Amino acid sequence: DTGVSQDPRHKITKRGQNVTFRCDPISEHNRLYWYRQTLGQGPEFLTYFQNEAQLEKSRLLSDRFSAERPKGSFSTLEIQRTEQGDSAMYLCASSLSTGKETQYFGPGTRLLVL
Amino acid sequence: GQNIDQPTEMTATEGAIVQINCTYQTSGFNGLFWYQQHAGEAPTFLSYNVLDGLEEKGRFSSFLSRSKGYSYLLLKELQMKDSASYLCAVMDYGGSQGNLIFGKGTKLSVKP
Repeated sequence: DTGVSQDPRHKITKRGQNVTFRCDPISEHNRLYWYRQTLGQGPEFLTYFQNEAQLEKSRLLSDRFSAERPKGSFSTLEIQRTEQGDSAMYLCASSLSTGKETQYFGPGTRLLVL
Repeated sequence: GQNIDQPTEMTATEGAIVQINCTYQTSGFNGLFWYQQHAGEAPTFLSYNVLDGLEEKGRFSSFLSRSKGYSYLLLKELQMKDSASYLCAVMDYGGSQGNLIFGKGTKLSVKP
């Protein structure tokens, strides 16, 4: 257990529905990242926050995706109008913006869109 | 462009030594990370290199050559529980950016 938690761990939804995932980082970490991982691939960066500011978004993050970190603590990732291609593991990681900036990953949310 | 290459699969015998190579081409460089990922689980941090040379941590060592864009992860005294995917990742910038660029991972199978 790295100290990063994610909820839910699994989500099955029908195409066109909206889903929201939550990530609680290690408490003293000011940086929070979202990645997506599909089978046989490494994680792909989606977006990241420093405190409550969203500093970078990947072009993978279409306008159906939105992420927030309202108080600089937990974060949510919402996918609107889900598509089958959104099926993946969504990983959250956190780090401290000093030193090695090692990112510690949560257990992930596995999304299946039917 | 950004590219990180590592072998797709490797097989080794329990008790042996295995070396997993990684080559990278990225816009910038602010450190190279190795993660271990068991099937269905999240990546767990193994090692970090930012300067050239070897970093040793128990049964695991990681080497970096920045001039060659090359790293390897060395696993000694292999155990069955080491069967997992090993991910090489580069942090391409520091400061305001810091996302990791991952390779596709090397699936290591340890046989008795």
